[in-house]
Amino acid sequence: SAVISQKPSRDICQRGTSLTIQCQVDSQVTMMFWYRQQPGQSLTLIATANQGSEATYESGFVIDKFPISRPNLTFSTLTVSNMSPEDSSIYLCSVEDRVQGLREQYFGPGTRLTVT
Amino acid sequence: RKEVEQDPGPFNVPEGATVAFNCTYSNSASQSFFWYRQDCRKEPKLLMSVYSSGNEDGRFTAQLNRASQYISLLIRDSKLSDSATYLCVVNSGQGGKLIFGQGTELSVKP
Repeated sequence: SAVISQKPSRDICQRGTSLTIQCQVDSQVTMMFWYRQQPGQSLTLIATANQGSEATYESGFVIDKFPISRPNLTFSTLTVSNMSPEDSSIYLCSVEDRVQGLREQYFGPGTRLTVT
Repeated sequence: RKEVEQDPGPFNVPEGATVAFNCTYSNSASQSFFWYRQDCRKEPKLLMSVYSSGNEDGRFTAQLNRASQYISLLIRDSKLSDSATYLCVVNSGQGGKLIFGQGTELSVKP
């Protein structure tokens, strides 16, 4: 499976600021996704990062709060804007691969964000 | 009703035990099904994809019942290293979106 890295691995930020998280894959992939995992919760999809076009956001997530870039098939960024303590979470990118005809997703190591 | 529901756990079992996790999903149009494993403070790792006929990988057996919208994971001969949270995951079929269950925590004791 693809090797996925994320930067930063963790950060502590002040409310009102913004943080950009990078996701790098070692091979070209069509589908990349951004998820959030709040403390004690499971994962929730934020958006699908589309190469060459605007990201597709899930209900409850908007571009102004979580702008996403996808300049090529190996890289994407997620920005968490105007942060508040409620944004404290782990943010994970994932990529999709086809294995024996099945679409499987693999996750990066995550970025642990704490907003104070 | 949640889209994907799992046994709440935690499951505390001795080494060598057999343990089964159950999961139900609400969207009958779901197309793909998976079990992920998540260790504390780590990302989820794909454990098994679940095929219609059921599939086995060593000590792990996954089964799917589309009529009942039910997925299961059986772990035989539990090891200490099996301690983790097991996530039932369903692909909604909408552009690759994965729906995650809340996870079931497993703790294997010596």
